[in-house]
Amino acid sequence: DTAVSQTPKYLVTQMGNDKSIKCEQNLGHDTMYWYKQDSKKFLKIMFSYNNKELIINETVPNRFSPKSPDKAHLNLHINSLELGDSAVYFCASNPGLGNYNEQFFGPGTRLTVL
Amino acid sequence: KQEVTQIPAALSVPEGENLVLNCSFTDSAIYNLQWFRQDPGKGLTSLLLIQSSQREQTSGRLNASLDKSSGRSTLYIAASQPGDSATYLCAAARGSGNTPLVFGKGTRLSVIA
Repeated sequence: DTAVSQTPKYLVTQMGNDKSIKCEQNLGHDTMYWYKQDSKKFLKIMFSYNNKELIINETVPNRFSPKSPDKAHLNLHINSLELGDSAVYFCASNPGLGNYNEQFFGPGTRLTVL
Repeated sequence: KQEVTQIPAALSVPEGENLVLNCSFTDSAIYNLQWFRQDPGKGLTSLLLIQSSQREQTSGRLNASLDKSSGRSTLYIAASQPGDSATYLCAAARGSGNTPLVFGKGTRLSVIA
């Protein structure tokens, strides 16, 4: 009964390719996020969505395009992959209301661009 | 702009010791603070969440405190075990509701048997 799941777990691809990562949460949360963990293990927010609507875009290049078909899913499509895109991408979700807003994270997708 | 700092970056202790991990944040107007554990090559496991109105939270051998006025949080681990070895991340919520977390760079803990 995985709360936040991501596919694929590993993704190895060539520079210039286009790839997608999928995320699903079965917690009934309204808000979903994409975070990037770089090679130095530092986690930074990329996007947040609330009820399928984009709330935050943290100056991420427009090669990255998130899509939320419904509030349980948030996918990330990356065009023209670059070496610097190599990282672990984490999806997360939380209820989106009130102070008690514990965030739950998926297992991560390790993207390697060659 | 919120910045979160964790000290030390790495810590090695013998099994059985009590230990404290430190987290500081620059903007005291946080809504909550969350502590996570990350094992190598794995995702983040939420350990404790402290709301802005709370001073501390406890779960088993873990106790997290929050002092907004000084911009600090600590994670206390009692009677450490080798299984506690992991990276511990502190993260502050910039606002209520659907706002993302701002993370520290983590403390890598090794508990030696």
